[in-house]
Amino acid sequence: LAKTTQPISMDSYEGQEVNITCSHNNIATNDYITWYQQFPSQGPRFIIQGYKTKVTNEVASLFIPADRKSSTLSLPRVSLSDTAVYYCRAPRGAGSYQLTFGKGTKLSVIP
Amino acid sequence: GAVVSQHPSWVICKSGTSVKIECRSLDFQATTMFWYRQFPKQSLMLMATSNEGSKATYEQGVEKDKFLINHASLTLSTLTVTSAHPEDSSFYICSAEPEEDYGYTFGSGTRLTVV
Repeated sequence: LAKTTQPISMDSYEGQEVNITCSHNNIATNDYITWYQQFPSQGPRFIIQGYKTKVTNEVASLFIPADRKSSTLSLPRVSLSDTAVYYCRAPRGAGSYQLTFGKGTKLSVIP
Repeated sequence: GAVVSQHPSWVICKSGTSVKIECRSLDFQATTMFWYRQFPKQSLMLMATSNEGSKATYEQGVEKDKFLINHASLTLSTLTVTSAHPEDSSFYICSAEPEEDYGYTFGSGTRLTVV
Protein backbone atom coordinates (compact mmCIF):
# COMPACT_ATOMS: atom_id res chain seq x y z
CA LEU A 1 0.00 0.00 0.00
CA ALA A 2 1.54 3.25 -1.18
CA LYS A 3 0.64 5.72 1.55
CA THR A 4 1.05 9.44 0.98
CA THR A 5 2.08 12.06 3.51
CA GLN A 6 1.51 15.75 2.97
CA PRO A 7 1.41 18.80 5.22
CA ILE A 8 -2.09 19.30 6.57
CA SER A 9 -2.20 22.99 5.73
CA MET A 10 -0.21 25.85 4.26
CA ASP A 11 -0.71 29.59 4.07
CA SER A 12 0.65 31.87 1.37
CA TYR A 13 0.26 35.46 0.26
CA GLU A 14 -1.01 36.29 -3.17
CA GLY A 15 1.66 36.39 -5.84
CA GLN A 16 4.03 34.02 -4.07
CA GLU A 17 5.22 30.66 -5.30
CA VAL A 18 3.91 27.73 -3.30
CA ASN A 19 5.57 24.33 -3.07
CA ILE A 20 3.72 21.36 -1.60
CA THR A 21 5.67 18.17 -1.03
CA CYS A 22 4.20 14.70 -0.83
CA SER A 23 5.99 11.59 0.40
CA HIS A 24 5.12 8.26 -1.22
CA ASN A 25 7.80 5.85 -0.10
CA ASN A 26 6.25 2.69 -1.54
CA ILE A 27 5.13 3.87 -4.93
CA ALA A 28 5.24 1.14 -7.55
CA THR A 29 7.98 1.21 -10.16
CA ASN A 30 5.77 1.87 -13.14
CA ASP A 31 3.19 4.14 -11.55
CA TYR A 32 2.72 7.83 -12.27
CA ILE A 33 2.41 10.55 -9.65
CA THR A 34 -0.66 12.71 -10.00
CA TRP A 35 -1.87 15.81 -8.21
CA TYR A 36 -5.45 17.01 -7.85
CA GLN A 37 -7.12 20.19 -6.65
CA GLN A 38 -10.44 20.20 -4.85
CA PHE A 39 -12.71 23.12 -4.01
CA PRO A 40 -15.47 22.75 -1.39
CA SER A 41 -18.46 20.70 -2.59
CA GLN A 42 -16.80 19.87 -5.91
CA GLY A 43 -15.08 16.80 -7.28
CA PRO A 44 -11.27 16.84 -7.51
CA ARG A 45 -9.74 18.33 -10.62
CA PHE A 46 -6.62 16.97 -12.31
CA ILE A 47 -3.69 19.38 -12.11
CA ILE A 48 -0.56 17.59 -13.28
CA GLN A 49 0.99 14.16 -13.64
CA GLY A 50 4.54 12.92 -13.98
CA TYR A 51 6.83 9.93 -13.71
CA LYS A 52 10.24 11.42 -13.02
CA THR A 53 12.32 14.64 -13.13
CA LYS A 54 10.21 17.68 -13.98
CA VAL A 55 6.90 18.26 -15.69
CA THR A 56 5.37 21.65 -16.37
CA ASN A 57 1.99 22.70 -17.72
CA GLU A 58 0.05 25.93 -17.84
CA VAL A 59 -0.92 25.84 -14.17
CA ALA A 60 1.84 24.07 -12.25
CA SER A 61 5.17 22.27 -12.19
CA LEU A 62 5.89 18.88 -10.71
CA PHE A 63 9.32 17.94 -9.44
CA ILE A 64 10.16 14.28 -8.84
CA PRO A 65 13.58 13.20 -7.54
CA ALA A 66 15.37 10.18 -8.94
CA ASP A 67 14.25 7.87 -6.13
CA ARG A 68 10.59 8.87 -6.71
CA LYS A 69 9.83 8.63 -3.02
CA SER A 70 8.48 12.14 -2.97
CA SER A 71 7.18 14.78 -5.30
CA THR A 72 6.71 18.54 -5.08
CA LEU A 73 3.88 20.46 -6.65
CA SER A 74 4.87 24.03 -7.45
CA LEU A 75 2.22 26.70 -8.02
CA PRO A 76 3.68 29.93 -9.40
CA ARG A 77 2.27 33.26 -8.25
CA VAL A 78 -0.80 31.99 -6.42
CA SER A 79 -4.02 33.96 -6.33
CA LEU A 80 -7.00 33.84 -3.98
CA SER A 81 -8.73 31.42 -6.33
CA ASP A 82 -6.00 28.85 -5.66
CA THR A 83 -7.31 28.38 -2.13
CA ALA A 84 -8.24 24.71 -2.14
CA VAL A 85 -7.19 21.26 -0.95
CA TYR A 86 -4.41 19.61 -2.95
CA TYR A 87 -4.01 15.84 -3.08
CA CYS A 88 -1.23 13.70 -4.45
CA ARG A 89 -2.14 10.28 -5.77
CA ALA A 90 -0.59 7.07 -4.56
CA PRO A 91 -1.43 4.06 -6.70
CA ARG A 92 -1.95 0.97 -4.63
CA GLY A 93 0.63 -1.60 -5.51
CA ALA A 94 2.48 -2.53 -8.67
CA GLY A 95 0.34 -2.02 -11.74
CA SER A 96 -2.77 -1.08 -9.77
CA TYR A 97 -4.86 1.68 -11.26
CA GLN A 98 -7.02 2.14 -8.21
CA LEU A 99 -6.75 5.43 -6.45
CA THR A 100 -5.81 6.12 -2.89
CA PHE A 101 -5.97 9.64 -1.54
CA GLY A 102 -4.04 10.94 1.41
CA LYS A 103 -5.39 13.63 3.68
CA GLY A 104 -4.45 16.42 1.32
CA THR A 105 -3.00 19.87 1.95
CA LYS A 106 -5.33 22.78 2.62
CA LEU A 107 -3.77 25.80 0.93
CA SER A 108 -5.04 29.18 2.06
CA VAL A 109 -4.03 32.17 -0.03
CA ILE A 110 -4.06 35.43 1.86
CA PRO A 111 -4.57 38.82 0.19
CA GLY B 1 -11.29 17.31 -22.47
CA ALA B 2 -12.78 14.22 -20.90
CA VAL B 3 -15.90 14.88 -18.86
CA VAL B 4 -17.63 12.85 -16.21
CA SER B 5 -21.15 13.99 -15.45
CA GLN B 6 -22.74 13.19 -12.12
CA HIS B 7 -26.40 13.60 -11.24
CA PRO B 8 -28.01 14.83 -9.09
CA SER B 9 -25.68 17.39 -7.58
CA TRP B 10 -27.63 17.31 -4.34
CA VAL B 11 -30.49 15.31 -2.90
CA ILE B 12 -32.43 15.26 0.34
CA CYS B 13 -34.28 12.11 1.24
CA LYS B 14 -36.17 10.66 4.17
CA SER B 15 -34.65 8.02 6.36
CA GLY B 16 -35.45 4.54 5.07
CA THR B 17 -35.81 5.50 1.42
CA SER B 18 -33.39 4.75 -1.42
CA VAL B 19 -31.49 7.20 -3.57
CA LYS B 20 -29.86 6.62 -6.95
CA ILE B 21 -26.84 8.59 -8.16
CA GLU B 22 -25.77 8.47 -11.80
CA CYS B 23 -22.28 8.83 -13.21
CA ARG B 24 -21.79 9.20 -16.95
CA SER B 25 -18.67 9.47 -19.08
CA LEU B 26 -19.70 11.94 -21.76
CA ASP B 27 -17.02 11.64 -24.42
CA PHE B 28 -15.22 8.42 -23.66
CA GLN B 29 -15.98 4.86 -22.70
CA ALA B 30 -15.21 3.70 -19.20
CA THR B 31 -15.05 0.00 -18.47
CA THR B 32 -14.17 0.93 -14.92
CA MET B 33 -15.52 3.69 -12.72
CA PHE B 34 -14.82 4.44 -9.09
CA TRP B 35 -17.11 5.63 -6.32
CA TYR B 36 -15.88 7.70 -3.39
CA ARG B 37 -17.42 9.09 -0.26
CA GLN B 38 -16.18 12.21 1.47
CA PHE B 39 -17.21 13.46 4.88
CA PRO B 40 -16.76 17.13 5.84
CA LYS B 41 -13.13 18.19 6.13
CA GLN B 42 -11.94 14.69 5.34
CA SER B 43 -10.26 13.10 2.36
CA LEU B 44 -11.94 10.98 -0.27
CA MET B 45 -12.50 7.39 0.66
CA LEU B 46 -12.75 4.81 -2.09
CA MET B 47 -15.96 2.83 -1.66
CA ALA B 48 -16.01 0.56 -4.66
CA THR B 49 -14.81 -0.10 -8.18
CA SER B 50 -17.55 -0.39 -10.75
CA ASN B 51 -16.88 -2.81 -13.62
CA GLU B 52 -18.92 -2.76 -16.82
CA GLY B 53 -20.79 -6.00 -17.26
CA SER B 54 -19.69 -7.56 -14.00
CA LYS B 55 -20.00 -7.19 -10.26
CA ALA B 56 -18.52 -4.25 -8.47
CA THR B 57 -15.57 -4.65 -6.16
CA TYR B 58 -16.18 -3.16 -2.72
CA GLU B 59 -13.60 -1.85 -0.30
CA GLN B 60 -13.32 -3.38 3.11
CA GLY B 61 -16.03 -2.14 5.43
CA VAL B 62 -18.40 -0.99 2.67
CA GLU B 63 -21.71 -2.86 2.68
CA LYS B 64 -22.45 -4.09 -0.82
CA ASP B 65 -26.12 -4.67 -0.03
CA LYS B 66 -26.50 -1.10 1.11
CA PHE B 67 -24.56 0.58 -1.68
CA LEU B 68 -25.74 -1.08 -4.87
CA ILE B 69 -23.64 -0.43 -7.93
CA ASN B 70 -24.70 -1.10 -11.48
CA HIS B 71 -22.47 -0.55 -14.51
CA ALA B 72 -24.70 -1.66 -17.36
CA SER B 73 -23.02 0.27 -20.16
CA LEU B 74 -19.62 1.69 -21.03
CA THR B 75 -20.78 5.20 -20.20
CA LEU B 76 -23.00 4.80 -17.15
CA SER B 77 -22.53 3.63 -13.61
CA THR B 78 -25.11 4.08 -10.87
CA LEU B 79 -24.82 4.01 -7.10
CA THR B 80 -27.98 3.34 -5.13
CA VAL B 81 -27.98 4.02 -1.42
CA THR B 82 -30.65 1.70 -0.07
CA SER B 83 -32.57 2.28 3.16
CA ALA B 84 -30.66 5.47 3.74
CA HIS B 85 -29.99 6.68 7.26
CA PRO B 86 -28.67 10.01 8.53
CA GLU B 87 -25.18 8.55 8.91
CA ASP B 88 -25.16 7.98 5.14
CA SER B 89 -25.30 11.73 4.62
CA SER B 90 -22.11 12.58 2.78
CA PHE B 91 -20.60 13.82 -0.47
CA TYR B 92 -20.43 11.05 -3.07
CA ILE B 93 -18.08 11.36 -6.04
CA CYS B 94 -17.43 9.15 -9.04
CA SER B 95 -14.43 9.06 -11.33
CA ALA B 96 -13.05 7.36 -14.42
CA GLU B 97 -9.83 7.36 -16.41
CA PRO B 98 -10.26 8.26 -20.10
CA GLU B 99 -6.99 6.60 -21.08
CA GLU B 100 -4.41 4.61 -19.18
CA ASP B 101 -2.13 6.87 -17.16
CA TYR B 102 -4.05 9.91 -18.43
CA GLY B 103 -5.17 11.03 -15.03
CA TYR B 104 -8.57 10.53 -13.53
CA THR B 105 -11.57 12.71 -14.27
CA PHE B 106 -14.04 13.22 -11.46
CA GLY B 107 -17.69 14.01 -11.42
CA SER B 108 -18.90 17.15 -9.67
CA GLY B 109 -20.16 15.13 -6.73
CA THR B 110 -23.53 14.53 -5.10
CA ARG B 111 -24.39 15.95 -1.71
CA LEU B 112 -26.73 13.47 0.01
CA THR B 113 -28.63 14.56 3.08
CA VAL B 114 -30.79 12.01 4.86
CA VAL B 115 -33.35 13.46 7.25
